[in-house]
Amino acid sequence: GEDVEQSLFLSVREGDSSVINCTYTDSSSTYLYWYKQEPGAGLQLLTYIFSNMDMKQDQRLTVLLNKKDKHLSLRIADTQTGDSAIYFCAYFRGYIPTFGRGTSLIVHP
Amino acid sequence: GAVVSQHPSWVICKSGTSVKIECRSLDFQATTMFWYRQFPKQSLMLMATSNEGSKATYEQGVEKDKFLINHASLTLSTLTVTSAHPEDSSFYICSAYPGEETQYFGPGTRLLVL
Repeated sequence: GEDVEQSLFLSVREGDSSVINCTYTDSSSTYLYWYKQEPGAGLQLLTYIFSNMDMKQDQRLTVLLNKKDKHLSLRIADTQTGDSAIYFCAYFRGYIPTFGRGTSLIVHP
Repeated sequence: GAVVSQHPSWVICKSGTSVKIECRSLDFQATTMFWYRQFPKQSLMLMATSNEGSKATYEQGVEKDKFLINHASLTLSTLTVTSAHPEDSSFYICSAYPGEETQYFGPGTRLLVL
């Protein structure tokens, strides 16, 4: 399987919560990251979590890490149309990242 | 936060010509810069890693004579796609690493080779 796996699509209604899931194989990374890519743009670092933590909250974003299961999730509360984008999960070996294929989040009214 | 720019943001060229893409870190010095290629609906594929003043390290399967990388200063790296062909059409993204924390990504350059 791939080093980082994500489901390809997620569709939610505006105002609902979105949960984007990611599984990874390499547990040696110190940090795990979530990036956002809007259409035609580069990647924007959204948030990251230290591998010794199991949860991090940053305004509407909540990151959950289950290190035992190598599972990372990103929860977006009160999802807005501006949240529509592709979300990439990533970990680093040294400073070289490994990205998932990205989850396209579609927010509909 | 740290800002990385790319120029041009998009380019259309004829097959056989060469195209240069610039990547600049605007408010920090980058010890290392990275070049990625992204196909539609795909993840980023690392092409090469470049350190200022030294030769770039290319990933397996990436032709170094095709994709020339120059990292002349701590704030500028260039990627030149030589003798471009339609299969080189893609979205090219650079990132800059200041030596701690994470990489910062440029907005990408869309290349279309006719």
